[in-house]
Amino acid sequence: GDSVTQMEGPVTLSEEAFLTINCTYTATGYPSLFWYVQYPGEGLQLLLKATKADDKGSNKGFEATYRKETTSFHLEKGSVQVSDSAVYFCALSRSDPGGFKTIFGAGTRLFVKA
Amino acid sequence: DTGVSQDPRHKITKRGQNVTFRCDPISEHNRLYWYRQTLGQGPEFLTYFQNEAQLEKSRLLSDRFSAERPKGSFSTLEIQRTEQGDSAMYLCASSIMGDTEAFFGQGTRLTVV
Repeated sequence: GDSVTQMEGPVTLSEEAFLTINCTYTATGYPSLFWYVQYPGEGLQLLLKATKADDKGSNKGFEATYRKETTSFHLEKGSVQVSDSAVYFCALSRSDPGGFKTIFGAGTRLFVKA
Repeated sequence: DTGVSQDPRHKITKRGQNVTFRCDPISEHNRLYWYRQTLGQGPEFLTYFQNEAQLEKSRLLSDRFSAERPKGSFSTLEIQRTEQGDSAMYLCASSIMGDTEAFFGQGTRLTVV
């Protein structure tokens, strides 16, 4: 079945450091890929998405590129801030029958130190 | 429309009691999903509705769990005879048919004592 694997955390960075969180997926067909962010005690917020190969999703300085050849969707940010401290989830969803539900990775907790 | 709303945000209950959660999706969304998230894990799919029809249920949804969406609008998730292992965040999401992006609510955090 479909699955998402992301790097284990926690990831601890100093403010203004470069961030990469790795994500790879297994899926039949052509899934859409997402990064969600979850702040303490809150629900999930969509951070960015990409719906087809080679698409780049971007938002709030975060970027991720849909790489079909490596089945990856790594999250990057050039300069992190303390306010980026949260848990980040990589996820996929398909539009074909039986695939509508979103499949999540286990999450990567990010701590950013001032 | 302010997005997906869930009620209550927090629920503490004693083991063996029944609890019911409500989810109001975004008004034009005809798909509604329930997920469970335990501490340190990603959300896991429980069930989903297309309009009022419940089309898929995960094996995680034991006989003590039941979900309804009677008029194709709001949904309820009931847990009967709660157990400590039911303690988790229960997330609701909605989407438009044919769109892969789901919009999530803030979740209901259940603590069974």
